[in-house]
Amino acid sequence: GENVEQHPSTLSVQEGDSAVIKCTYSDSASNYFPWYKQELGKRPQLIIDIRSNVGEKKDQRIAVTLNKTAKHFSLHITETQPEDSAVYFCAASKSRTGANNLFFGTGTRLTVIP
Amino acid sequence: GAVVSQHPSWVICKSGTSVKIECRSLDFQATTMFWYRQFPKQSLMLMATSNEGSKATYEQGVEKDKFLINHASLTLSTLTVTSAHPEDSSFYICSASGAGATGANVLTFGAGSRLTVL
Repeated sequence: GENVEQHPSTLSVQEGDSAVIKCTYSDSASNYFPWYKQELGKRPQLIIDIRSNVGEKKDQRIAVTLNKTAKHFSLHITETQPEDSAVYFCAASKSRTGANNLFFGTGTRLTVIP
Repeated sequence: GAVVSQHPSWVICKSGTSVKIECRSLDFQATTMFWYRQFPKQSLMLMATSNEGSKATYEQGVEKDKFLINHASLTLSTLTVTSAHPEDSSFYICSASGAGATGANVLTFGAGSRLTVL
């Protein structure tokens, strides 16, 4: 099956600085890569996703890059704010049928210091 | 749109009893539902994938007889933890996938169910 690795496990940044989280995946057939934000005891919330036919996608302060050859993808958060503090998970999926059985990375606890 | 309701949100049970967790898609038909387990400060681990009307596909290492999954309709899937033991204590989260209001596929997570087995 798919194996998704995520680094770093914890990340602290000063408010206003950028944060970068990196993930690698093992299955070259994976073609859908979402990122989720999860607050303690709550459901994961999709914040951005990218498909394998795209190399980069941006949504305001959040961007994701994908390198299919190297099988890695990254989340970039610019101008971080305290409310960005949460656990972030990357995931990978083969979504041929549109049903996404996601395999998650191990998570990154981001702390934004005011 | 694309709302998934999961109940109960929190349950405490005695060791040896069974607990049922429900996952409902409220405003779309979920052709596929997924069940995840999450230990404190750890990632979500996929337990099984269920398609409406068919048997669930379990991930390696997940006991089928212990974690019974039923997906009898396009809006409801249930996870029953049978003969629960303290090591089954965890946060269980479902997600549902199906065509949303626009026809595009949506994937939405439930709010999770925290199970504590005494």
